[in-house]
Amino acid sequence: QVQLIQSGPEVRQPGSSVRLSCKVSGSTFKTFTVFWVRQAPGHGPEIMGGFVPVMGPANFAPTFPDRVSITADESTFTFYMELTDLKIEDTAIYYCAKAAVGYSSPIAFWGPGTLVTVS
Amino acid sequence: QSVLTQPPSASGAPGQRVIISCSGSSSILGSNSVNWYQQLPGTAPKLLISNDNQRPSGVPDRFSGSRSGTSASLVISGLQSDDEADYYCASWAVTLGGPLFGGGTKLTVL
Repeated sequence: QVQLIQSGPEVRQPGSSVRLSCKVSGSTFKTFTVFWVRQAPGHGPEIMGGFVPVMGPANFAPTFPDRVSITADESTFTFYMELTDLKIEDTAIYYCAKAAVGYSSPIAFWGPGTLVTVS
Repeated sequence: QSVLTQPPSASGAPGQRVIISCSGSSSILGSNSVNWYQQLPGTAPKLLISNDNQRPSGVPDRFSGSRSGTSASLVISGLQSDDEADYYCASWAVTLGGPLFGGGTKLTVL
């Protein structure tokens, strides 16, 4: 059974950075297709980027040029997403999620989300 | 333009049928299948319909989906009070390197 366990809420000031974690289980780590998706209050989900360890560098949505990075630690089965130069409008719930099968397959599994407040 | 358009709200009485629409461009909905998500208050989205009309295990057959051209629809039959939620369509967008989500439709059960 696929599980995604996310780190706790964060409060940051504008201009700072935040690093969120997502510990996964239930699927082979090297081929685990992870996406980071955020949802601002009252808005729909927004894709930030995706990463498959065995495929190399992460892909990022053009909405976040040079502000997002996604890394992985296979020894702890954990993915990380760092967002830099935070702005007030980055206040949102950040989800890590897993595609059903391949990279372009539907997102089928979601973590509970991490609230990031920029104030 | 990379946008999936949904009506902001929909409503129906218990037992009724509700249809939620999703429209997009030829490069997105016209070229890729649509997925639907249900989001209950305070929870993460849940995959409701995949690949236009496939129900994941555990999703009741009251939920069905279809796609034609650049439009898609989610049909909820036999509306129940616990169907009250936000519903999002999503489709792969090459320009994003990931799924594009619609703005969502808030369903109210009267």
